[in-house]
Amino acid sequence: NAGVTQTPKFRVLKTGQSMTLLCAQDMNHEYMYWYRQDPGMGLRLIHYSVGEGTTAKGEVPDGYNVSRLKKQNFLLGLESAAPSQTSVYFCASSPQSYEQYFGPGTRLTVT
Amino acid sequence: KQEVTQIPAALSVPEGENLVLNCSFTDSAIYNLQWFRQDPGKGLTSLLLIQSSQREQTSGRLNASLDKSSGRSTLYIAASQPGDSATYLCAVGNNNDMRFGAGTRLTVKP
Repeated sequence: NAGVTQTPKFRVLKTGQSMTLLCAQDMNHEYMYWYRQDPGMGLRLIHYSVGEGTTAKGEVPDGYNVSRLKKQNFLLGLESAAPSQTSVYFCASSPQSYEQYFGPGTRLTVT
Repeated sequence: KQEVTQIPAALSVPEGENLVLNCSFTDSAIYNLQWFRQDPGKGLTSLLLIQSSQREQTSGRLNASLDKSSGRSTLYIAASQPGDSATYLCAVGNNNDMRFGAGTRLTVKP
């Protein structure tokens, strides 16, 4: 039981490049979330999903897109990366809207 | 909009001391409140989850309380140990929207 895993762990992008972050969970959780964490700030919700095939916007969705084609996977895409998207990205899952379980994070730098 | 504040931002205590971390929130219409621990460069580890109908939860040396009417939660750590050194985050949930505080960085000195 690996819990929540994230790929990749680190990435450096140039402004304007695109990339996809992958989150996978093996706990059969319905809900999945993408957050970003910036220095001195708490985590902020980017997008979330309440089930396979569904997605919704969180607090800071601009510049990101998501997809939940399979229940166990939640993808976060950056179509045209900007320096303001330099951050640590965390994925989480939960059985309905209860206790959240977090992945180890992806550290993204956009130059 | 829900605002979550954690005070103090940093705390340093000697080993063995009992301590309290504070979390306040502006909107009392919450679904649940969760306390997390985050070690440097790592993800978040859930410590305690309190549903809106509950007043407190306990796990080992940790006790978390919730007072919705005053918009406050506290995390009590008994007999602190150097291994407790980490950043502690509280998060307030309202249905699918969870808002985090900036955290309290705790250092327990041997």
